[in-house]
Amino acid sequence: QQPVQSPQAVILREGEDAVINCSSSKALYSVHWYRQKHGEAPVFLMILLKGGEQKGHEKISASFNEKKQQSSLYLTASQLSYSGTYFCGTEEGYALNFGKGTSLLVTP
Amino acid sequence: NAGVTQTPKFQVLKTGQSMTLQCAQDMNHEYMSWYRQDPGMGLRLIHYSVGAGITDQGEVPNGYNVSRSTTEDFPLRLLSAAPSQTSVYFCASSYQSGHTDTQYFGPGTRLTVL
Repeated sequence: QQPVQSPQAVILREGEDAVINCSSSKALYSVHWYRQKHGEAPVFLMILLKGGEQKGHEKISASFNEKKQQSSLYLTASQLSYSGTYFCGTEEGYALNFGKGTSLLVTP
Repeated sequence: NAGVTQTPKFQVLKTGQSMTLQCAQDMNHEYMSWYRQDPGMGLRLIHYSVGAGITDQGEVPNGYNVSRSTTEDFPLRLLSAAPSQTSVYFCASSYQSGHTDTQYFGPGTRLTVL
C-alpha cells in the first residue's frame, strides 16, 4: 500500500523553509526519501531506519516517528536546485512502495 | 561503471503486441525492481527480485512477467500490451535489500500503447 504524502505541492521563494510529510498505515522499519527532476530518474536523498540510524544527504534533514508511522523531510534555506518532486518510500517485501509525490518549486 | 541501464528509451506499441523492456546493472547488486510512473500516481512497484532465480510480485503485477537468470539482468515482459500500460518504466537496483539500502534508478523507458 502506498504511503500518503502531504502537501501535494509547495511553492517557495529561495531561502524559505519547507516540510514534507509521509505517513503509512502499517508499522515501518524504514522510510526512504528520493527527489526527481522533470524528465529524469529519482535520486536518493536519505534513509531513516527504525532505531534512529540515518544514511544520506548532509544538507537535508528528516525525522522518523516509528510509533506514529510517520516521517518528515525538512528543507531549510531552500535553493533553486531543490525544485523537483519528492517521494517517500516504505518497505514492500524487499523493495519499496512510493507515495504519490510532493511537487516543490523554488522561485528566485 | 555504467550503473543501471535501460533499453529502449522510447517505444510505441499497438494493443496486443508483446515486448521486453531491458534492464541491466554492472554494480553486482542482488536486489532489482521494476516501477511504473504515471502522472499523479507516483512510482508503483511491479515486480522485484532478490537474486538470480528469485522474483516476487509488487503492487501492480498484472500484465507483466519477469525472470532473473543472471545477477546483471532483469527484463520486464509485456505479454499483450494494453493502453493502460502506457507509462514511464523505471528499473532500480540495490546492493542490499531495497528497504534498507540506496536504490539506484535507471534512466527510464517511456512506453506508449496505442
